[in-house]
Parts: sequence; C-alpha cells; structure tokens
Amino acid sequence: DGGITQSPKYLFRKEGQNVTLSCEQNLNHDAMYWYRQDPGQGLRLIYYSQIVNDFQKGDIAEGYSVSREKKESFPLTVTSAQKNPTAFYLCASSMGRQDGYTFGSGTRLTVV
Amino acid sequence: AQKVTQAQTEISVVEKEDVTLDCVYETRDTTYYLFWYKQPPSGELVFLIRRNSFDEQNEISGRYSWNFQKSTSSFNFTITASQVVDSAVYFCASNAGGTSYGKLTFGQGTILTVHP
Repeated sequence: DGGITQSPKYLFRKEGQNVTLSCEQNLNHDAMYWYRQDPGQGLRLIYYSQIVNDFQKGDIAEGYSVSREKKESFPLTVTSAQKNPTAFYLCASSMGRQDGYTFGSGTRLTVV
Repeated sequence: AQKVTQAQTEISVVEKEDVTLDCVYETRDTTYYLFWYKQPPSGELVFLIRRNSFDEQNEISGRYSWNFQKSTSSFNFTITASQVVDSAVYFCASNAGGTSYGKLTFGQGTILTVHP
C-alpha cells in the first residue's frame, strides 16, 4: 500500500545533540513538507521541497536542516541550534494543487 | 498573505448533539482548494474533504456535512449526532495562492471533545 512512513514514532535525545527524523513516501509525490506541532497548537511549516535537490524554508526553519536527494525521501535534522526542539513532527507529501496532503503518522521528539 | 481562521479553539458537546466547526479563509485567488483534516489522539492527520472554488455545492457524507459559501469566504463543517469517536482536533486548510504543488495554509485547529 502506498503511503508515508515516518520513523521513529518516539525519539529521545540529550540536549545539544543533533537528531535526524526520517520521512519516506512511495506515492510518487513530487512535493514534501515538514511541520512542527506543539501541544494545543496548530501546524507550523518548517521546510518544504517541490522537486529533488531543491527545498525552501518555511515559517520556522531556524535550527533545522533538510535534504532531498531522492524523490522518496525528505529527512529532517533537528540541530543543537534549535532552542526548543521538543515537539511533534509531521511529514506530508502532495502530488498537485488539487490533491491536498497525505500525512505520515508523526514523530514525537523529546529532548532532555 | 493567505490566511485561514478557525475562531473556535475548543468545543465541548454531549454525545448526539450536533456541532458546527467554523472556517473562514482569505484569498484574492479565483481558483483554490479548501480542505478539512481530522487529527485523532494518535496524531496522524486524516483527510476528510476537498472542495474547489468553483463548486459551491454542499456535501454530505454520513453524519458529516460541509457548507461552502464564497460570498462569506466560509467553509464550515457540521457533525450531526456527534459520537465520542468524533473527539479530535479538526483543521481547515486552503492552498489559495500556493504554488502548483499546493502548499497548504492551515487554521489553528479546533479541539472537539464529545462527552458520553
């Protein structure tokens, strides 16, 4: 079945460490997105990519980095520069304007 | 800038009550799409409906119905005879003004709690 896989589901890291969240899709979608969600809050866009080897900053890109070397994969690195990294991270993909997003199941990152 | 507003932060109802979640969007585009997503406690957002700007027909799917009115830039969502399983966060979204790949602008979400 086609879909988006985010791994791991839960992630714990020590403060000051970089951590990479995985997002893989087999939907053949061109565009991929990363969102951050804090408790009781909406979705805030971190980065997005519309084509391989190209990506754009979203509203809260500081302290994060991404790569898009393959169409299927869009990993997100949370760096030590991100001051408050504990949050729920959602990855999504889209084929076109009329299709909306397909979401992954999310990764809950806790930094201690 | 595009904007989607969900004025209700939280709604609490008792099972079997009807409930309407409001969504107002801003755009100067003539062609755009509107969406509703449900986020249950598990966290994954589930697609509920898509509506394009040229189709103002209301839609009904079981206990769910959607009322799209371009004149008021609103795309409201009604759950009839609510059930405990409807408890979730609901997001309205628009890709008005987006790129050809449709980056979505989300509302802040409405937390719906249905009590038994």
